[in-house]
This record gives sequence, structure tokens and C-alpha cells, in this order.
Amino acid sequence: DAGVIQSPRHEVTEMGQEVTLRCKPISGHDYLFWYRQTMMRGLELLIYFNNNVPIDDSGMPEDRFSAKMPNASFSTLKIQPSEPRDSAVYFCASRLSSEQFFGPGTRLTVL
Amino acid sequence: KQEVTQIPAALSVPEGENLVLNCSFTDSAIYNLQWFRQDPGKGLTSLLLIQSSQREQTSGRLNASLDKSSGRSTLYIAASQPGDSATYLCAGLMDTGRRALTFGSGTRLQVQP
Repeated sequence: DAGVIQSPRHEVTEMGQEVTLRCKPISGHDYLFWYRQTMMRGLELLIYFNNNVPIDDSGMPEDRFSAKMPNASFSTLKIQPSEPRDSAVYFCASRLSSEQFFGPGTRLTVL
Repeated sequence: KQEVTQIPAALSVPEGENLVLNCSFTDSAIYNLQWFRQDPGKGLTSLLLIQSSQREQTSGRLNASLDKSSGRSTLYIAASQPGDSATYLCAGLMDTGRRALTFGSGTRLQVQP
């Protein structure tokens, strides 16, 4: 298995632009998570899905952030409009039973 | 609200030394605890998962223990090697039905050759 796949690996954009991050979970996993990692706040959950249904989005910082999971093999995290404080590494993770497996992350820089 | 703390924040040891990384959590209603390794600029690699019904798990030179009553987990690394240099994160899954992990801030380990 290729593991959790994220794209792009790096994204540099200007303030106000729309950013879309993509994730392909491990095949057969029924949970998908989006986390954000910053130096100041560490790793924080943004949202997670179970069987493609959003379960907990309490970590989504504000309405500029949205996430979708149209099918079991694909999810997107969108930021519109982006702001410099959104600069961070965004991780996608998936799980079956108890153990979570993480993707390599997308390093987002908003200028 | 669950809080996870890792001490020390950074550790430097000579090669070959045995070492212990600590993780403490405030809420004992923990479902499982997972230890990860993160190399600079990389994602998280799962090392060990301990279920609440277990006391410890072993993988090669790594041994992780879990004591729910005291709110502590430790990661023991035997005969450390320079390749073990990384940041080690612990994360707890609460026994509340919420399926997201709560992470500690990590211990940055440097093993000197």
C-alpha cells in the first residue's frame, strides 16, 4: 500500500487566494482526519470524517476553511480566502480500527 | 479537556545510551495511546500503539508502557543510535467516542555519534 497520499507537498500563495489541499487515504480505512501543525500550537485536529461523513469539525478555525469527502478515496481541504496566519503544515491521516497513519503533509506558505 | 504533556522538550545523548521519553495526560479515560516519530520536514511515522487494556508494547529496540491510573506513558529506547534522532510525539485517544488524537508537543531527540 502506498500509504496516505497528499498533494501538493508544498504550496506558496498570496494572501486572498484560494488554496485546495488534497488527500487520498489508505484503501479500506473508514476514518479520515485533517490536522494542522504549527510551531506555536503543535498538532491540532481540524476535522474528521467517518465513512465520508463529517463527524467533528470543531477544530476548523473559521468559515474560510471547508472540507469535503465526496468518496472513500478522496478528500479536500479548502481555504478561501487564505491569510498569512494559515501558514502551517497540513496533515491528512486515516485509520481502520485504532491506529492512525499520516500522510507526508502539505507545507502551506501564505505571503 | 484532555491535555498531553511531554518532558523533556529536548534531549541529547551519546550513542549507545538507553533513554526514556515521558508522556503524561490529564484525563485517565484514555482509549489508547500512540507514539510517533517525526523527522524534520516529514510526516509522522507510527511507532507503537498501546490499548488501554495493555500495559506495554514492544517493537525492536522500542518499548512503550501505559499506566492509566497515573496518567503516564513512557517510551524506552535501548542502545540509541544516531538514526534515532528525531522528534517523538505521543498522542492519546479519549474513551469518549471522539476519534481524534490529542497530541503532546513532542521531545526532540539528538543522538550524538
